[in-house]
Amino acid sequence: GAGVSQSPRYKVAKRGQDVALRCDPISGHVSLFWYQQALGQGPEFLTYFQNEAQLDKSGLPSDRFFAERPEGSVSTLKIQRTQQEDSAVYLCASSFARTTNQPQHFGDGTRLSIL
Amino acid sequence: GIQVEQSPPDLILQEGANSTLRCNFSDSVNNLQWFHQNPWGQLINLFYIPSGTKQNGRLSATTVATERYSLLYISSSQTTDSGVYFCAAANQAGTALIFGKGTTLSVSS
Repeated sequence: GAGVSQSPRYKVAKRGQDVALRCDPISGHVSLFWYQQALGQGPEFLTYFQNEAQLDKSGLPSDRFFAERPEGSVSTLKIQRTQQEDSAVYLCASSFARTTNQPQHFGDGTRLSIL
Repeated sequence: GIQVEQSPPDLILQEGANSTLRCNFSDSVNNLQWFHQNPWGQLINLFYIPSGTKQNGRLSATTVATERYSLLYISSSQTTDSGVYFCAAANQAGTALIFGKGTTLSVSS
């Protein structure tokens, strides 16, 4: 596609449920990044993939958060046993380069609300 | 780790005015990016600018890496420029962007 595509656009879940968020990066982009953006704050890094390899997951806030990119294209961010503090916008970005040394292009995000 | 600070936090302008947004970073970086987040939440990459000056229409950016700052210039502002402007610097491993808290710009007609 022409840009980074994320789905769903909005997700409402009850506390304790598991959720899965999808990111479809720009075709041919090697690098894929997940960020979390709380209301009124800048995006915060969660994890980074280079092709199918997860090279940095230092930003994942707990072991309830899990991300994968099994074929080096589409990625899924999964949150288990959701809690209210998980409510945020989850942004996915992709880049042609193998590191951050090229512009990152962001999707429109998934707004997650935990009730 | 790298820290990124932006100023001012808020800016209110009349349409047609010019403005300068500043981004300071705590360590040497090998890339610096500016983004605009519009009122609908879309985050648009404006500039990838590790050093030097770039211009794109009414916007331009300058990064002085040796002095650890970057500036974003907006000339002849329009209401569509409203939103939040973020700068972001890469971490040393090159695996993540570290964002500042943003400058919220409101342009009124």
